[in-house]
Parts: sequence; C-alpha cells; structure tokens
Amino acid sequence: NAGVTQTPKFRVLKTGQSMTLLCAQDMNHEYMYWYRQDPGMGLRLIHYSVGEGTTAKGEVPDGYNVSRLKKQNFLLGLESAAPSQTSVYFCASKGQGEVGYTFGSGTRLTVV
Amino acid sequence: AQSVAQPEDQVNVAEGNPLTVKCTYSVSGNPYLFWYVQYPNRGLQFLLKYITGDNLVKGSYGFEAEFNKSQTSFHLKKPSALVSDSALYFCAVRDTSGYNKLIFGAGTRLAVHP
Repeated sequence: NAGVTQTPKFRVLKTGQSMTLLCAQDMNHEYMYWYRQDPGMGLRLIHYSVGEGTTAKGEVPDGYNVSRLKKQNFLLGLESAAPSQTSVYFCASKGQGEVGYTFGSGTRLTVV
Repeated sequence: AQSVAQPEDQVNVAEGNPLTVKCTYSVSGNPYLFWYVQYPNRGLQFLLKYITGDNLVKGSYGFEAEFNKSQTSFHLKKPSALVSDSALYFCAVRDTSGYNKLIFGAGTRLAVHP
C-alpha cells in the first residue's frame, strides 16, 4: 500500500548510543519532514527536506542529523542519545502541488 | 511568528451532546488549516482541512470545522459526541513562509463520558 513507512516502531537506547530512524515513502513526494511529539507540546519540527539531496533545520534540530540521499528516504540520526530525546517521532511527506500530508505511524523511542 | 493555539488542554463532554474543540492561528496571508486526531498509541489521522471557499468544512466521522477569518479561528465541532470520539486532537496550519511546513498546536484531549 502506498504511504509512509517508519522503522523501527519501537526502540530503547542507552544514553550515548547512536541510532538511525528510517522514513520511506513510495508516492514520489518532494517534501519530507521529521517531527517529535511530546506531551503537552504537540508536534515540533526537527528537520525537513524539500527534495533529494536537500535538508534544513526545523524548530528543534539540536542533537539530530538528517540525510536524504534518495528521494524516497529521509533518515533521522541521533549520534549520542540523551534522555531528553525520549519521544515519539513522526515522519510526514507531501507532494509538490498537493495540499495534504501523509504521516507515518510513528517510532516510540526511549533513552535510558 | 506563525503559530497555532489550542487553549484547552482537555475538553469533557457527555455522549450525545455537541462538542467544540477550539483552535486559533497566526499566519501571514491566507491560511491552510488542518485537524488531525490521534487515538492512544496510534499515528495521526487526517480529519479535515480548509483551503478556500465555504467557511464550514465537513470531514471524517461526522466532524466539521468553522473557519472564521476575522477571529483567526478554526474550531472543530460535532453535533453529537460519541464515546469513541475520545482522543487527542491537533490543529495545524501550513507555514506560509515556504517549504510547506506544518505548524501544530499543543493538542486537546477530548473525553466523552457515557
């Protein structure tokens, strides 16, 4: 089924470990976004991409890096995880000229 | 700065009564507005959007929203609440500064009591 797939769905990390979250979309969308969701704060934009090979910082980029080497994939990396990065992470995509956004099902990350 | 405000952390309503979840926004230019719902341990589900045209927008599951430009509001409504409507609701606006970023409100938890 067409859509946005996030892997993994759950992960527990120890402080200082690194990991990469993968977002894959098969709709040929130009725009891709990474959000984090924390209680009482809604969804906040971490990084985004407007096309293959481009990335930009969002509202809360510190401690994260991203890459978009292929149009269909948008990777979110944590180089040295901290407990403050415990959150639910959502990826979204949007096509050029389209109005709607497609969201992935989320990744629940716990850093201990 | 462009922003979205959801002034109520939680809304409580009895089943069968009408419900309103409030949202106000601040953007330059014409807004594209959205409502999403999140059920426990689930992702975001799209409910409805306003782009242009009729100020009353109808969406999924019997929800509707009223766009009011003078009050910069986009309140979510439903004539008769169901217990199954209990969830977390997010209002969002598309950033008009470019790159189509979505700006979300903090969310409102709706609790519908039998």
